[in-house]
Amino acid sequence: QKEVEQDPGPLSVPEGAIVSLNCTYSNSAFQYFMWYRQYSRKGPELLMYTYSSGNKEDGRFTAQVDKSSKYISLFIRDSQPSDSATYLCAMSANSGYALNFGKGTSLLVTP
Amino acid sequence: SQTIHQWPATLVQPVGSPLSLECTVEGTSNPNLYWYRQAAGRGLQLLFYSVGIGQISSEVPQNLSASRPQDRQFILSSKKLLLSDSGFYLCAWNPESGYTFGSGTRLTVV
Repeated sequence: QKEVEQDPGPLSVPEGAIVSLNCTYSNSAFQYFMWYRQYSRKGPELLMYTYSSGNKEDGRFTAQVDKSSKYISLFIRDSQPSDSATYLCAMSANSGYALNFGKGTSLLVTP
Repeated sequence: SQTIHQWPATLVQPVGSPLSLECTVEGTSNPNLYWYRQAAGRGLQLLFYSVGIGQISSEVPQNLSASRPQDRQFILSSKKLLLSDSGFYLCAWNPESGYTFGSGTRLTVV
């Protein structure tokens, strides 16, 4: 079993929809959780950074971590065509440790 | 401000040729530095990480090597490229609130 599982999609939604992206993991030692957005042929861009369990909101983005279920989510409200990208979840046991990535979910927001 | 630079952006190299990719970080000191490779359908794979000058840890046995000759410089090298070395190479470092990636180098070995 891979340490981080993420549905690759593709996920296609109409503009304005709420998008839900998810990852599951197996290593209970993970404490730091991140979501990255990657446009085609570009480096990943950090969207959300969360420590331990709970919710974090930044504009249209909300990250949720449920450590008891080993499950993390990213919600995008009022999705825009510019949100079309691949979204990667990543996590580590300690700050400074190398990240464990999901394979990414491809999202397409259609006008 | 803290920034990370990576070059070149694209590279086409013949099989058997050498490789040198460079990454530098500005605005910080003694950063942890990482090299990742992203291949289609395989996600990001950690290749090397470094916690200081001359300190390199390898995660995956391969045809590549890394060096850290200066505090904020991280170099990825190969003496002889293989077709399987093709991919998108990303340098990263970790400030306190998440890991920051460079813009990447797309390497095609022909």
